[in-house]
Amino acid sequence: NAGVTQTPKFQVLKTGQSMTLQCAQDMNHEYMSWYRQDPGMGLRLIHYSVGAGITDQGEVPNGYNVSRSTTEDFPLRLLSAAPSQTSVYFCASQDSLSTDTQYFGPGTRLTVL
Amino acid sequence: AQSVAQPEDQVNVAEGNPLTVKCTYSVSGNPYLFWYVQYPNRGLQFLLKYITGDNLVKGSYGFEAEFNKSQTSFHLKKPSALVSDSALYFCAVRDYSGGYQKVTFGIGTKLQVIP
Repeated sequence: NAGVTQTPKFQVLKTGQSMTLQCAQDMNHEYMSWYRQDPGMGLRLIHYSVGAGITDQGEVPNGYNVSRSTTEDFPLRLLSAAPSQTSVYFCASQDSLSTDTQYFGPGTRLTVL
Repeated sequence: AQSVAQPEDQVNVAEGNPLTVKCTYSVSGNPYLFWYVQYPNRGLQFLLKYITGDNLVKGSYGFEAEFNKSQTSFHLKKPSALVSDSALYFCAVRDYSGGYQKVTFGIGTKLQVIP
């Protein structure tokens, strides 16, 4: 049982490039989220999904797309990277909205030059 | 709008001494409160939660938190600090709005336990 996995661990992009951050969980959790962590700002919700085929925007969705074709996977796509997207990105999963505990992946540290 | 405040950027405590990491919150309804810990280069790990019931909540690694409704606080405590407790601690509050859960995290408090 690997929990929540994220790839890559580190990534450097140039402004305007696109990429996909991968997230997978093997706990059959319905609810998955993407957060970004910036110094002095805590974690902010980017997008979330309440189940396969269902996604919605969080607090800071601009510049990011998500999809949820399977229960296990929840990739985050940066369409045209900007320096403001330099951050550490965390994926989290949760059994359902009625349970309380989120399980976080190890994070992806992204630098946009 | 809900909010969480962690007034201290860093807390230093000597090994063996009791520690407290402070958190205050603001929500419109009943508070669902959480503490998470983040070790260097790792994701957040759940420590404990308050949903309802006893105001003193016990969690992982010997941590506990005291819910105080009148002071809107949820301070994290441990009777005897270990060097291995050194990490970044996040307080969070959860609410349901518009059909989805909104979890608001504080900015984090760095705990440094000095040997």
